[in-house]
Formats: sequence, structure tokens, C-alpha cells
Amino acid sequence: DIQMTQSPSSLSASVGDRVTITCRASQSISGYLNWYQQRPGKAPKLLIYAASTFQSGVPSRFSGSGSGTDFTLTISNLQPEDFATYYCQQSFSAPYTFGQGTKLQIK
Amino acid sequence: EEQLVESGGGLIQPGGSLRLSCAASGLTVSRNYMSWVRQAPGKGLEWVSIIYSGLDTYYADSVKGRFIISRDNSKNTLYLQMNSLRDEDTAVYYCGRDQGHGHLGMDVWGQGTTVTVSS
Repeated sequence: DIQMTQSPSSLSASVGDRVTITCRASQSISGYLNWYQQRPGKAPKLLIYAASTFQSGVPSRFSGSGSGTDFTLTISNLQPEDFATYYCQQSFSAPYTFGQGTKLQIK
Repeated sequence: EEQLVESGGGLIQPGGSLRLSCAASGLTVSRNYMSWVRQAPGKGLEWVSIIYSGLDTYYADSVKGRFIISRDNSKNTLYLQMNSLRDEDTAVYYCGRDQGHGHLGMDVWGQGTTVTVSS
């Protein structure tokens, strides 16, 4: 099975900041990497799929990049509603494993 | 509007069985790849299982041999039969639609149903 490792596990930032979350796969997953946002008590929301493609309705301050084993999610100009937990997921081969999550908190 | 609604969660003793349902509206379960994902209290997301439109199924190692994913096309509903339940199966269970034949992420999610395994 493919293991996904996210870093950092938590992150403190201020409104207006730019932050980057990284995700590393234990083997190449080509570009089959998805990013989700989850707010407390809510279902996850797909932000980016195929490493860098925005899901419909996602603000352009979110961006994704990477291929192979190393990927990043960048959030520019942080807004209050962006403080949540973020997960990466590989969809290259089943089981479609998730990273352990990154909790983005207000500084 | 595409919508998924889970049901069937509850309190169950270790070793017991439970069947979760995921009723779909605005999308056709049989034409999509559909998944179950769970989240233990205070923990991260754990992928559980997927069923392809062609009926191929895959499972996480943690549930293989105990859980069965299936669907009823006439009811447009996805199921997760959970047998031999363990304490560590306690979680909120979400169903979702996998876009792009499973390769482009889960774009539609249900609200989740809570399963508690405890004596």
C-alpha cells in the first residue's frame, strides 16, 4: 500500500499570510493527488484534484503542485474561513490512502 | 443537486454487525465509483472501501475480510456491511462519489453516520 506523509501536522498563521503544506508519497503516484479541507464537525470538501486542478468553486488563493512523490498545497492571503484541517489523498491505486492531516490554526 | 445521505449508524457491541446505507439523489450510484471513508474520534480520515461502476471492489487492510461494500441499483443506494466489529471501528463513516473513475478525488460527500463499537 502507498503511504502518504504530510507535513507539518499543525501550523499557525495569521489572516493574510501564505502557507504551504507538503505531502509525500511512499512511491510514485504520478499526478494522482487530491487535497481536501475539513472544518470541525463537517464532511471533507475537495479542493484540488490531479495535483493542481481546482474543484469547481474553490477560490484561486488555493493552489497545488507536484508530481511523482512530492506535492504541495499553498494557500495565499489566508482568510478566516481557511482555518481548518487539510488532507492529501492519493488516487493512483487502491487503497486510496490519506495523509494524516495538517491542522491550520490562527496565530 | 447531487446529494448523499448516510444512515444505519449506532451503538453496537464488539463482534456485532451493522449495515450502513448511503442514499443518493441527483446522481446514479451504479454509474459512479463510490467510496466509504471513516474518521475515528479526534483522528484523521481513513479510506475504507470503493466499488467501481463495473462492481470491482477494494478494501483497506484494516477492514478486509470483515466489511463488504455493495449497491442496490433499484434503490440508488450504496451499502457497507460491517461484520466482526472491533472497538477501533468506532468512527464517523462517510460515503462519497469518486469522480474521474476513482482517480480525481471525492467530490460529493454525505454528512456522515456515527458508529460506536463498545460493550
